[in-house]
Amino acid sequence: DTGVSQDPRHKITKRGQNVTFRCDPISEHNRLYWYRQTLGQGPEFLTYFQNEAQLEKSRLLSDRFSAERPKGSFSTLEIQRTEQGDSAMYLCATTGVGSTDTQYFGPGTRLTVL
Amino acid sequence: RKEVEQDPGPFNVPEGATVAFNCTYSNSASQSFFWYRQDCRKEPKLLMSVYSSGNEDGRFTAQLNRASQYISLLIRDSKLSDSATYLCVVNSPGGGSYIPTFGRGTSLIVHP
Repeated sequence: DTGVSQDPRHKITKRGQNVTFRCDPISEHNRLYWYRQTLGQGPEFLTYFQNEAQLEKSRLLSDRFSAERPKGSFSTLEIQRTEQGDSAMYLCATTGVGSTDTQYFGPGTRLTVL
Repeated sequence: RKEVEQDPGPFNVPEGATVAFNCTYSNSASQSFFWYRQDCRKEPKLLMSVYSSGNEDGRFTAQLNRASQYISLLIRDSKLSDSATYLCVVNSPGGGSYIPTFGRGTSLIVHP
């Protein structure tokens, strides 16, 4: 058990609905990453926080996607007006201060958009 | 050209075999390198970091060749439990930080 938790583990929604996912990092891990993974591909970087500051956003992150980490602890990823192409596994990973950039992944949230 | 490229395989090998995977990266300013293992429907987990001098962890050996911009993973004496997808990860410069970029993964199947 890596200690990173994600909720929900599975989400089925209809096209056009909004969804929000949560990631709880390992305690005191200051860096938090969101990725999207589809079948047969590696995780694709979406965005990255250092404490509460969102430092990087991928061009993959359209204006329908927004992420927050208000107190530098848990983070949320919201997708507005979901599309079928948003169906994927959404992974969260965290890294501690002074680490060698080792990322610890949560179990992911599997999103299915009907 | 993709930033990080891996042969997707699958590599299908018998128990006890030695198997090697390569991964190439395009950004010469990339800073750190890793191999992760991902089991079916599970999250990726760190297998090992990759250092310029090469490093070994039991049956696993990782190498980095900065001049040719590739990293490799060698698995000796393969076990059934080694069956998984192996992802290479390269930290490359982004807007102001280093961004982890994953390859698509190489699938390994070890059979009896």
